[in-house]
Amino acid sequence: SAVISQKPSRDICQRGTSLTIQCQVDSQVTMMFWYRQQPGQSLTLIATANQGSEATYESGFVIDKFPISRPNLTFSTLTVSNMSPEDSSIYLCSVTRASSYNEQFFGPGTRLTVL
Amino acid sequence: GQQVMQIPQYQHVQEGEDFTTYCNSSTTLSNIQWYKQRPGGHPVFLIQLVKSGEVKKQKRLTFQFGEAKKNSSLHITATQTTDVGTYFCAPKADKFYFGSGTKLNVKP
Repeated sequence: SAVISQKPSRDICQRGTSLTIQCQVDSQVTMMFWYRQQPGQSLTLIATANQGSEATYESGFVIDKFPISRPNLTFSTLTVSNMSPEDSSIYLCSVTRASSYNEQFFGPGTRLTVL
Repeated sequence: GQQVMQIPQYQHVQEGEDFTTYCNSSTTLSNIQWYKQRPGGHPVFLIQLVKSGEVKKQKRLTFQFGEAKKNSSLHITATQTTDVGTYFCAPKADKFYFGSGTKLNVKP
C-alpha cells in the first residue's frame, strides 16, 4: 500500500481567493491523480499530475482554474483558483504504483468550503 | 464519452440479508475495479477484474465480470454493520472512471 497525506485537511475560504492543496506520498509512485467529490456524489477526475510536465486535464477542467504541479515522484499540489461557492467540495489525491496492478490509493481528502 | 450506470443508488438492508450492486457500461471494458468508501472516509480498493466471466471472492464478497466485459456486480452475503458505506465500480476503458456508487445502509 501507500501512505498518503494531504494538507490542509479542511479549509473555509472567501470567494475570489485561491487555495493550494498538497499531496505527499511516502514512497515513489507512478501515477498521481486529483479528484473532486461533492457531498453524496461520486468521484470526478480533475486531472493526472505528470512529473516535470503539464498535467493532463479532463473535460470540463482547465489549467487556469486548477493549476497542478508535480515536481517529483512523491509530491503534487492542486490549486483551486478564484474560488466560488460552487468549488465547495472534497478534493482527493490518489496514486498508483508500478508494482501493483493499477489499484489506486487515496489520500484522506481536503474538505473545502467557499463562502 | 464512457457511459456507466451503477444501480441501485441506495440500498437499505437488515443485518444478515444479502446485497448486490450492479455496474453497467455502454462500452467494452479492459478491466474493472471496485472500491468501498466508509462514511467520512476515502475510497479503498477492493478488487480488480480483468477476464471475461471472471468471478472472485473475498470472504462474504463475490465479484463478477460479465462475459461481454460490459457489466460487473458485487454481491455481499449476510451483510454486517461493518459493510455500511458506498461501493463504487471504476471501469477502465482508456482510463479509470468511477461509477455513481451504491450507498449501503445495514440496520442491526
